[in-house]
Amino acid sequence: EADIYQTPRYLVIGTGKKITLECSQTMGHDKMYWYQQDPGMELHLIHYSYGVNSTEKGDLSSESTVSRIRTEHFPLTLESARPSHTSQYLCASSLRAETYTEAFFGQGTRLTVV
Amino acid sequence: AQKITQTQPGMFVQEKEAVTLDCTYDTSDQSYGLFWYKQPSSGEMIFLIYQGSYDEQNATEGRYSLNFQKARKSANLVISASQLGDSAMYFCAMREENAGGTSYGKLTFGQGTILTVHP
Repeated sequence: EADIYQTPRYLVIGTGKKITLECSQTMGHDKMYWYQQDPGMELHLIHYSYGVNSTEKGDLSSESTVSRIRTEHFPLTLESARPSHTSQYLCASSLRAETYTEAFFGQGTRLTVV
Repeated sequence: AQKITQTQPGMFVQEKEAVTLDCTYDTSDQSYGLFWYKQPSSGEMIFLIYQGSYDEQNATEGRYSLNFQKARKSANLVISASQLGDSAMYFCAMREENAGGTSYGKLTFGQGTILTVHP
């Protein structure tokens, strides 16, 4: 079973609020990712990190920001939430040397901005 | 750029029967990995099976097998002996890999197929 955790699982918040979605993994993985998924749709990569102090933007433009101060922790922040940010956010991690290994996903955070 | 296409928005299967979920891909990379993930209504992504582009044999994991046809750029998932718990969304995904099997790790996903298993 994968040891990657996301909190909160569900979040309903008002427009303009600052939010941070937490993601932690205990597997010592170097690589971590954030994907955004609208209901019933595919996942889109919004941020990734190859290690501490490394962050890159993904294929889908996002107003969110991320940080990687510790290997195990990869939080995502929205400075001012808007209804357009309503979505599911999935965090994942994988090994640096990845031959025949998969990415492990957290359970996701379902964000609703009202 | 990589692209994954899943042309079946929804599939229905009778319990205990086999079902095939289609996946085609497009890439100019010589080395890549193909994945299938299952997403139940609870939202988490569960890894099912992996196929490397240089693997000559089709991957199998229990009731799951991947029908890999490289020339046709297809990577269909076959689920044998379907169970009610198999009802979920299924995603095909691709990852660029170098010849040594390491990669940046970024996955490109298809649109998904909703599988419903009837009793």
